[in-house]
Amino acid sequence: KNQVEQSPQSLIILEGKNCTLQCNYTVSPFSNLRWYKQDTGRGPVSLTIMTFSENTKSNGRYTATLDADTKQSSLHITASQLSDSASYICVVSANTGGFKTIFGAGTRLFVKA
Amino acid sequence: DAGVTQSPTHLIKTRGQQVTLRCSPKSGHDTVSWYQQALGQGPQFIFQYYEEEERQRGNFPDRFSGHQFPNYSSELNVNALLLGDSALYLCASSPGHGPTDTQYFGPGTRLTVL
Repeated sequence: KNQVEQSPQSLIILEGKNCTLQCNYTVSPFSNLRWYKQDTGRGPVSLTIMTFSENTKSNGRYTATLDADTKQSSLHITASQLSDSASYICVVSANTGGFKTIFGAGTRLFVKA
Repeated sequence: DAGVTQSPTHLIKTRGQQVTLRCSPKSGHDTVSWYQQALGQGPQFIFQYYEEEERQRGNFPDRFSGHQFPNYSSELNVNALLLGDSALYLCASSPGHGPTDTQYFGPGTRLTVL
């Protein structure tokens, strides 16, 4: 069964600290993995996309890693800011003849001053 | 250049009623996908439209139907509403329908069924 599981479910950190969010997936055959940021009441916004051959991708203070062998990904946030408070969703797409994209439930990050 | 727009922003309906949600894609995008997002959950794929036809469908009953117009805008219709249909409905557009085409999401329509 195609699944995407994220951990932790929620996380509270102090402003300026770093954090790492985890994503494990069983989606097959793998095409790509994305991390999205979703502010409360808004639609998700794409942060990074990685294909099978890529093992790291950065977007400013966000760095995503991918281990296609173990089917794990992480999103590392450096020097967190209050505006980083949001849900971070891991999304995995399968390389089938049609469209198959599985969303994780997300990690809710709270950054406190 | 406007991004993806959705209307209405909020909607309250009662059980058994029907609802229509609307989406205008980002300029240059021909593919529209609809998602249902329950509180505290990730979005669940409903269906995808391009070339005015439903091309892919998630695990949703026939009460959920849609349409895409020649200008690529789209509608999501839900009949015989249930309490469990209360959710944020997201529309996403993309320049194509391949797995690497980035989807741009609208702000969503918050549907409450009483």
